Amino acid sequence: GAGVSQSPSNKVTEKGKDVELRCDPISGHTALYWYRQSLGQGLEFLIYFQGNSAPDKSGLPSDRFSAERTGGSVSTLTIQRTQQEDSAVYLCASSLEGTGVPGGYTFGSGTRLTVV
Amino acid sequence: SQKIEQNSEALNIQEGKTATLTCNYTNYSPAYLQWYRQDPGRGPVFLLLIRENEKEKRKERLKVTFDTTLKQSLFHITASQPADSATYLCALGLYNQGGKLIFGQGTELSVKP
Repeated sequence: GAGVSQSPSNKVTEKGKDVELRCDPISGHTALYWYRQSLGQGLEFLIYFQGNSAPDKSGLPSDRFSAERTGGSVSTLTIQRTQQEDSAVYLCASSLEGTGVPGGYTFGSGTRLTVV
Repeated sequence: SQKIEQNSEALNIQEGKTATLTCNYTNYSPAYLQWYRQDPGRGPVFLLLIRENEKEKRKERLKVTFDTTLKQSLFHITASQPADSATYLCALGLYNQGGKLIFGQGTELSVKP
């Protein structure tokens, strides 16, 4: 597609429920990233997929968080048993390849998750 | 500990002036550094990339410098306009980390007419 698409744009969930956030990257982009941004804060790295390599999961804050990328394209970030501290904007980005691409990364508009 | 620090206070300048934003880092050895613009409710938008062996990059009214001795990058917007008002984020790309970026917390810029 023309840009990175994320859905839903907003999600309100009850504490303890599971949520799934979806990211459609730009077609042909081999690298896909998930970040989260709390109010007034910078972006916190979560996970990074590059081609067929094992994902870099080093930023996932707990084992309640997981992500997969099917067919090298669409990615789903799953948060199990949500907690109030999970409330944030979850941003997905993609790029042509992993390292220092001159064109940078293309971000989606994010999913605003609110856990009540 | 490792840190990336940007101007903590919002930057307010007059239209037509040059805005200068600072990004300092500690205990990182970046291979490259990127600057992004973020508007409220939107994802960041890529502006410029500068590599470790480059001192300066320009793009239209934007200029980025990278001093690996001072561990600092400066981001300049010349002839600033109210439309430049946004939050600007710096991000470090590290060796052997693939494409993962480490972001600063951002600096909010407000350009007054």
